[in-house]
Amino acid sequence: EAQVTQNPRYLITVTGKKLTVTCSQNMNHEYMSWYRQDPGLGLRQIYYSMNVEVTDKGDVPEGYKVSRKEKRNFPLILESPSPNQTSLYFCASSQAPPGPITGELFFGEGSRLTVL
Amino acid sequence: AQSVSQHNHHVILSEAASLELGCNYSYGGTVNLFWYVQYPGQHLQLLLKYFSGDPLVKGIKGFEAEFIKSKFSFNLRKPSVQWSDTAEYFCAVNNIGTYKYIFGTGTRLKVLA
Repeated sequence: EAQVTQNPRYLITVTGKKLTVTCSQNMNHEYMSWYRQDPGLGLRQIYYSMNVEVTDKGDVPEGYKVSRKEKRNFPLILESPSPNQTSLYFCASSQAPPGPITGELFFGEGSRLTVL
Repeated sequence: AQSVSQHNHHVILSEAASLELGCNYSYGGTVNLFWYVQYPGQHLQLLLKYFSGDPLVKGIKGFEAEFIKSKFSFNLRKPSVQWSDTAEYFCAVNNIGTYKYIFGTGTRLKVLA
């Protein structure tokens, strides 16, 4: 089954404790990205990756890091989480990077993160 | 800055009522346009998309949207909603030539049985 898998789905942590949210897709998609969803703000893009070893900042990258060492995986790293990073996070992938002929985004189930 | 506006934040309708959700974007170039739906507790799923051609696009579950370039709009419509359409709806825009998707703030639709 084609899917985007995120882990963990739920996490409560404390300020400053490094954490990683994993994202894996089994569709051989080139494009992957991370979003955070906050009430009244919709989805905001954190980072995206056009292919292996190619990443770039989205609209809200502060406090986050990513890496793309393999095509299928795109982990989101919070080196020193703070309470303002409490949010619902979604990973998404697409067959092709956005462009004149672009694909839809396939989303993971979401990871709800609480930073105390 | 590029933005996507969804004017209706909360909409409550009775079953069989007609639906129209507004979406306007601020980018003047060529765009790809999407509507996604998020059912309670679930991830986002694509409802429909517009890349080029006929500005009236049809999606799943009886939804359709019309791209009006002169108004920078991509409104979502459904002639007769069902209780199962209760969800949050997001409009999204991708500017051709960039790798970013910009989402609207979403519209929460509640359909009363």
